[in-house]
Amino acid sequence: QLQLQESGPGLLKASETLALTCTVSGGSISSGSHYWGWIRQPPGKALEWIGTVYYSGTTYYNPSFKSRVTISVDTSRSHFSLRLNSVTAADTAVYYCARHGGAYIRDWFHPWGQGTLVTVSS
Amino acid sequence: QSVLTQPPSVSGAPGQRVTISCTGSSSNIGAGYDVHWYQQLPGTAPKLLIYGNNNRPSGVPDRFSGSKSGTSASLAITGLQTEDEAVYHCQSYDGSLTTSVFGGGTQLTVL
Repeated sequence: QLQLQESGPGLLKASETLALTCTVSGGSISSGSHYWGWIRQPPGKALEWIGTVYYSGTTYYNPSFKSRVTISVDTSRSHFSLRLNSVTAADTAVYYCARHGGAYIRDWFHPWGQGTLVTVSS
Repeated sequence: QSVLTQPPSVSGAPGQRVTISCTGSSSNIGAGYDVHWYQQLPGTAPKLLIYGNNNRPSGVPDRFSGSKSGTSASLAITGLQTEDEAVYHCQSYDGSLTTSVFGGGTQLTVL
């Protein structure tokens, strides 16, 4: 059964860089049949797609984040990562990693990691 | 403000049927892009409920169904149960924004 697990610091100061890793187990990140994505949810707010990566390293980003975000993949370690620069309090959210249903960014997300809360203090 | 519009809340009694709407535009749902639905129980990650407008993943009861017409989509839940109390999110793709987009989420209360 495929499982995803987010990891990384839960508390940051404004202007620092958010760095999270999603470790994939129970399946191959290199299968080629799926994209892998990051989604966030600020407290009490809607889900927001951040970006997506393919095992080859091809990336797709939400234009709202494009100048600050980098997503990368390490197939040897079966994980993919998110970096978000120059964070502010508005970046406080639960960050989820998930697998796309296929190899298109329009595809659904399944399964999801349990999520990790990142709080940015000023 | 979300690209896809959902009602903030809906409610129903056990055993009843409720529907949750997801309204988009000509650049997302109306452009033919599929709609997907998720159920988010309190304190947990979203769980896929419906994909590709009307398909249920293995393990999702047939009490849940999805439909799409024009620039809108709907999630229907029949035979409401107390464990259905959750937030429901819709998702699609916007060709103008070139992003995957979500609705604002709908809180379902089972009275």
